[in-house]
Amino acid sequence: DTGVSQNPRHKITKRGQNVTFRCDPISEHNRLYWYRQTLGQGPEFLTYFQNEAQLEKSRLLSDRFSAERPKGSFSTLEIQRTEQGDSAMYLCASSPDVANYGYTFGSGTRLTVV
Amino acid sequence: AQKVTQAQTEISVVEKEDVTLDCVYETRDTTYYLFWYKQPPSGELVFLIRRNSFDEQNEISGRYSWNFQKSTSSFNFTITASQVVDSAVYFCALSEKVYNFNKFYFGSGTKLNVKP
Repeated sequence: DTGVSQNPRHKITKRGQNVTFRCDPISEHNRLYWYRQTLGQGPEFLTYFQNEAQLEKSRLLSDRFSAERPKGSFSTLEIQRTEQGDSAMYLCASSPDVANYGYTFGSGTRLTVV
Repeated sequence: AQKVTQAQTEISVVEKEDVTLDCVYETRDTTYYLFWYKQPPSGELVFLIRRNSFDEQNEISGRYSWNFQKSTSSFNFTITASQVVDSAVYFCALSEKVYNFNKFYFGSGTKLNVKP
């Protein structure tokens, strides 16, 4: 297993277009997280999955954002009608079902909305 | 309210110098965890250390050491004899239990430049 994998690494899209990102967590990790990191800031929590259930969503996750984790394996994050303010690095992380265990992060998908 | 503050935005040192990265946190929980992550230019966040709120012993790992002081809500990170490969952005994070998962609050990061 090579860690958390995210695709694509970079995405440039025009304002108003829809985009979808994919995250493949470490196979034995049942917890999966999405974070967003804007330039010069630390990552901010977006959403959390335990297996296939989405158990927590941040207020940062507007109606234009939707995340899924079918079958509790990979996850997708879709942004509809992208806006320039959506430009950021989207980070996925996973962890085992152990309390307060550190996350393993992927390399992220950098989104640029022009 | 901001939970993790990293007041140093950017630090530049010359190779072999020691450098300390500051981290101050805020929480009402009695049980919490603190972390440091390194983010090289490739973008991936690399786990460095985890410390729980009941363990105030300082920790040393090679050239890295961490000083946790609950009385001042600080969790500082020192790199001894810095090397060019240490150049990266370093994030301090606080983990709190929210329902049944651990939510991370990250500071804004400190960019470390180590010059040869």
